Amino acid sequence: DAGITQSPRHKVTETGTPVTLRCHQTENHRYMYWYRQDPGHGLRLIHYSYGVKDTDKGEVSDGYSVSRSKTEDFLLTLESATSSQTSVYFCAIREGEGHNEQFFGPGTRLTVL
Amino acid sequence: AQSVTQLDSHVSVSEGTPVLLRCNYSSSYSPSLFWYVQHPNKGLQLLLKYTSAATLVKGINGFEAEFKKSETSFHLTKPSAHMSDAAEYFCVVSDTRGSTLGRLYFGRGTQLTVWP
Repeated sequence: DAGITQSPRHKVTETGTPVTLRCHQTENHRYMYWYRQDPGHGLRLIHYSYGVKDTDKGEVSDGYSVSRSKTEDFLLTLESATSSQTSVYFCAIREGEGHNEQFFGPGTRLTVL
Repeated sequence: AQSVTQLDSHVSVSEGTPVLLRCNYSSSYSPSLFWYVQHPNKGLQLLLKYTSAATLVKGINGFEAEFKKSETSFHLTKPSAHMSDAAEYFCVVSDTRGSTLGRLYFGRGTQLTVWP
């Protein structure tokens, strides 16, 4: 258990509404990541953070924004949800330089109707 | 650029028989390679990792993988499948040189079915 929680675990929302997903870690790791998982695509990186207020885009960042105001929390926001954003979202942490493996949270299943 | 190709989207074996899940990678640098497992409706669990030490890597639950640079492969094996091995398996590559950001690049996954 890497001390990662995600909330909510399940959410159903309507097209056009804003949605915020939260990732919380208890171990003060510097690096945090948001991925989405879709059938046949593996996991794809949305955004990542390398410190408080330091974030950057991944390969599928359109329609998403992130914020990290505290080391322990990394928020993913869908400003105006679309049906194409229906997916399972995973947060991950990395311990730091010299450690390339990431540890994943339990995931959030988001359905956009 | 880093990328991973998992050669089989589905693999079916009988319980007690060997498992082979195939993975080829592409990397501009000396890679770190991983296998993750995902059981139904669960998160991802690290199975094993290669980080330029021994080329034969042992992981949890009896799995192992061999790094073959000449073949750019990192196949996952297990001598005897168990029903509890049924899951989806992801081969993953990370760039270890020149970047501290540690981005991972995932294969599309191999679904392992184990028949009794």
